[in-house]
Amino acid sequence: QLQLQESGPGLVKPPETLSLTCTVSGGSVSDTDYYWGWIRQPPGKGLEWIGHLHYSGRTYYNPSLESRVIMSVGTSNNQFSLRLSPVTATDTAVYYCVRYSGGWDYWGQGSLVTVSS
Amino acid sequence: QTVVTQEPSLTVSPGGTVTLTCTSSTGAVTSGYYPNWVQQKPGQAPMSLIYSTSYKHSWTPARFSGSLLGGKAALTLSGVQPEDEADYYCLLYYGGAQVWVFGGGTKLTVL
Repeated sequence: QLQLQESGPGLVKPPETLSLTCTVSGGSVSDTDYYWGWIRQPPGKGLEWIGHLHYSGRTYYNPSLESRVIMSVGTSNNQFSLRLSPVTATDTAVYYCVRYSGGWDYWGQGSLVTVSS
Repeated sequence: QTVVTQEPSLTVSPGGTVTLTCTSSTGAVTSGYYPNWVQQKPGQAPMSLIYSTSYKHSWTPARFSGSLLGGKAALTLSGVQPEDEADYYCLLYYGGAQVWVFGGGTKLTVL
């Protein structure tokens, strides 16, 4: 059974960098059949697609965030990561890592990141 | 900017049938938008129910079905159960820009 687990600081000061890592178990980030992505949800609001990437290095970002986002995949620990910089209070959200296999099938439990000085 | 629109809220009686829809500001939704439907219950992570318009995951209850109706993506719940009370989000793929866009979500109340 595939499992995804987000990890990273729960508090980030503006205008610093938000960094999150997603650890994949029960599967491999190097499996070329899949894409890996990030989705976020501000408190009390809807879902927002941030972007996704393929093991080959191809990345696809939400145009509204593209100038601030970097996603990468690391095979040594079977992880992929998200960096968002610089952050503001509007980046406060629960961040989910997800897998795409024809659909966004597997989701992590989410990591709340609060942006505050 | 592309906007995906869903009904903000719907109410259905237990055992009833309800259809949630998803429209695109760019025009008719087709299979090429690979409509996905995601369910989120309070305090929980979202869970995928439907992908590529009508395909179900192994964990998707049989009472959920996806389709295209009148230029919209649709999610139909037949024989609604109290545990189906949740927020439902549609997600569309815009291949030209290679981006995914979520709808604002529908809050489904079972009453």
